[in-house]
Amino acid sequence: QVQLVQSGAEVKKPGASVKVSCKASGYTFTSYDINWVRQATGQGLEWMGWMNPNSGNTGYAQKFQGRVTMTRNTSISTAYMELSSLRSEDTAVYYCARAPLGSPDYWGQGTLVTVSS
Amino acid sequence: SYELTQPPSVSVSPGQTARITCSGDALPKQYAYWYQQKPGQAPVLVIYKDSERPSGIPERFSGSSSGTTVTLTISGVQAEDEADYYCQSADSSGTHQVFGGGTKLTVL
Repeated sequence: QVQLVQSGAEVKKPGASVKVSCKASGYTFTSYDINWVRQATGQGLEWMGWMNPNSGNTGYAQKFQGRVTMTRNTSISTAYMELSSLRSEDTAVYYCARAPLGSPDYWGQGTLVTVSS
Repeated sequence: SYELTQPPSVSVSPGQTARITCSGDALPKQYAYWYQQKPGQAPVLVIYKDSERPSGIPERFSGSSSGTTVTLTISGVQAEDEADYYCQSADSSGTHQVFGGGTKLTVL
């Protein structure tokens, strides 16, 4: 069965960077895009961008351009999302999701990133 | 930037039909997807490509599209359907995805 398992919760100081991992299993990792989506407490879902694990091509939401980097390691079927220059407003649960047609179908369990001094 | 508009809340009694709408200018060109999210859980896909239902999703969930509006319909609502529902689609270029603001479904 398709599974996306994300790394554990992180606590970061303002100005730091965070890198969240997403390990895929149960399907061919390079056959489907990965989306990253975040959700602040009590708020809605916010799309951050996509990555094609086969080519490494990426596309980012304008809001995150210059601060987000999505990468992958195909040998271990793992995608990564790194967000830099963190601020308190970046405190949220970050999700990876498989996206066969550009839109998510299977989701990871989420990773809580807390930005606090 | 592109936006999808949903009502903040919908309330129905058990056994009734709930309809949640989502409006966006690019919806005639781009498929819509619907997600159910319960507290503390990751979203679950309940409708894809406007009206297709993934395996394992109850038949009471259906989707439709008309012009710039898509609708998620839950027939014979059950208490377990109480959740937040999000529509999702792409902008007119197809390169960027966006989520609606979400609709809280309350089962009275």
